[in-house]
Amino acid sequence: AQKITQTQPGMFVQEKEAVTLDCTYDTSDPSYGLFWYKQPSSGEMIFLIYQGSYDQQNATEGRYSLNFQKARKSANLVISASQLGDSAMYFCAVHNYGQNFVFGPGTRLSVLP
Amino acid sequence: NAGVTQTPKFQVLKTGQSMTLQCAQDMNHNSMYWYRQDPGMGLRLIYYSASEGTTDKGEVPNGYNVSRLNKREFSLRLESAAPSQTSVYFCASSDRDRGGGKLFFGSGTQLSVL
Repeated sequence: AQKITQTQPGMFVQEKEAVTLDCTYDTSDPSYGLFWYKQPSSGEMIFLIYQGSYDQQNATEGRYSLNFQKARKSANLVISASQLGDSAMYFCAVHNYGQNFVFGPGTRLSVLP
Repeated sequence: NAGVTQTPKFQVLKTGQSMTLQCAQDMNHNSMYWYRQDPGMGLRLIYYSASEGTTDKGEVPNGYNVSRLNKREFSLRLESAAPSQTSVYFCASSDRDRGGGKLFFGSGTQLSVL
């Protein structure tokens, strides 16, 4: 079974600085997708970024980038120029072909003014 | 664009009561999912449906049943609610079944079982 580990239950970052949220995963399937979702206090799940296991380049979406290290099974999310609105829970997830989406336990990010 | 619509948003049940959570998507997605979210535990998959007419158990299926009524609709039923089923429930759908396919989520249902 897939397992996702997010070792940082809580993180603090100063506004306008960059922050890295860690994610490691365990899957034996060579084909999979890695995702990051944001959940603000309002509760909705917001898609941030996707990386395919065969993608050669790290994914970027605006201020979000994914530091993908396939051999280490690591997919860290980097948020540049943090904003107060970035304060939220962040979930890493893996989707294997023909199987289901598995989510990590999440990291709570707090951006300080 | 409606996306994924789930109802109700809030529900309070007494132990032993039954109820059905409804979910519909208008994006022509093949795959649909039901998750529950408990404090500090992220999202755990209850059931999923890879296509119309198929359903599969996820990580925590006990106490739940599902029905993929058609391509649009995927309902979750609690036959005899228990306090341990107090949680926030999310329905989601996916636009691809291989590798990628990001999940689109409904707004969630907050369920309390007394």
